[in-house]
Amino acid sequence: EIVMTQSPATLSLSPGERATLSCRVSQSVSSNLAWYQQKPGQAPRLLMYGASTRATGIPARFSGSGSGTDFTLTISSLQSEDFAVYYCQLYNNWPLTFGGGTKVEIK
Amino acid sequence: EVQLVETGGGLIQPGGSLRLSCEVSGFSVSANYMSWVRQAPGKGPEWVSVIYSGTTTYYAESVKGRFTISRDNSKNTLHLQMNSLRVEDTAVYYCARGPYSGGWYGLDLWGQGTLVTVSS
Repeated sequence: EIVMTQSPATLSLSPGERATLSCRVSQSVSSNLAWYQQKPGQAPRLLMYGASTRATGIPARFSGSGSGTDFTLTISSLQSEDFAVYYCQLYNNWPLTFGGGTKVEIK
Repeated sequence: EVQLVETGGGLIQPGGSLRLSCEVSGFSVSANYMSWVRQAPGKGPEWVSVIYSGTTTYYAESVKGRFTISRDNSKNTLHLQMNSLRVEDTAVYYCARGPYSGGWYGLDLWGQGTLVTVSS
């Protein structure tokens, strides 16, 4: 069973700062990794797929990178609307697996 | 307009059954992989099931043998039949398109979710 570990659990930053979120996978995988953003009371929203491709309508301040077992989501300059919980997800096999999430909160 | 609208949630006693529906507009459920994802209160999302290529289905181990995913192509609707419900099935249930929709794009469209509460 593949385990996905996101770190840190909580990231306290100020608007304008850079956010770096990590997703580590227990075994080497293909690039079928996605990132989602979720705000309270809302469904998750796809941000990135293929580890590094922004989904439709996602601003350029979001970027994804990584391969193998280590993946990163970077928000270059946090805007007020970016404070939310972020999840990584593998979709290369069944079951699809989500990480435990990173909450980006206002410092 | 692309829309996914889930219905059918509610309060049900342990051991009971519920059928969730996801009415889709703006694209064809028959031409895409369609998934159910759930999220227990205060927890992260958990993938539940997928259907594609007409009859191919997969399930999370936690629901295998109890839940059945299906789709009605004539109504462009996805269903999730949930039997033998347990307290731990309490969650918001989302339908989502993907992870394949003309390419491996992840779960790119989501409904607003429907709450299922299993409690005596």
